[in-house]
Amino acid sequence: GAVVSQHPSWVICKSGTSVKIECRSLDFQATTMFWYRQFPKQSLMLMATSNEGSKATYEQGVEKDKFLINHASLTLSTLTVTSAHPEDSSFYICSAWPNEQFFGPGTRLTVL
Amino acid sequence: RKEVEQDPGPFNVPEGATVAFNCTYSNSASQSFFWYRQDCRKEPKLLMSVYSSGNEDGRFTAQLNRASQYISLLIRDSKLSDSATYLCVVSSGYSTLTFGKGTMLLVSP
Repeated sequence: GAVVSQHPSWVICKSGTSVKIECRSLDFQATTMFWYRQFPKQSLMLMATSNEGSKATYEQGVEKDKFLINHASLTLSTLTVTSAHPEDSSFYICSAWPNEQFFGPGTRLTVL
Repeated sequence: RKEVEQDPGPFNVPEGATVAFNCTYSNSASQSFFWYRQDCRKEPKLLMSVYSSGNEDGRFTAQLNRASQYISLLIRDSKLSDSATYLCVVSSGYSTLTFGKGTMLLVSP
């Protein structure tokens, strides 16, 4: 199956800093990528749909100015958590879509 | 009402047991149905799609009842490696997936 990578796999940062997470499709081109967030013992929640060359579509309740998404190429989408706070600590997972959703390995963010 | 509901478990079963998970969904316009498996601190991985006619993949059997908006997964002859969280996933259209919270399965020796 298709391979999706994420970097970094985990990050610990101080409150108020910004964190960038990269999502790459390694062996296919993805015009659409998805960003999810999962809190402990909760379901994956779609945050936004990232479209190459255009603005991302955010789900209700997700602040677009806080979670900046850039999909500048067919193989790379980035999610930047700006001014991160402890409540942003979560597992962030991206996925890409060639016929089915293939998930990246996730990034565990801990904000102190 | 939550869009996709599952019993969180955990289901504790011995090796070799048969275990069944159920899931209900609220959106009657849902078109595609899946079971994903998620190991602790890992990404979800597609286990199988679910069809109205029912489908089987080795020890795993999935069923869909559109009238009742109900999906099931049956695992026969459980293995230790089956221990994971099983996510019921529903799609109402192009690429948008809605996840249940998952059902945890623990298979013991």
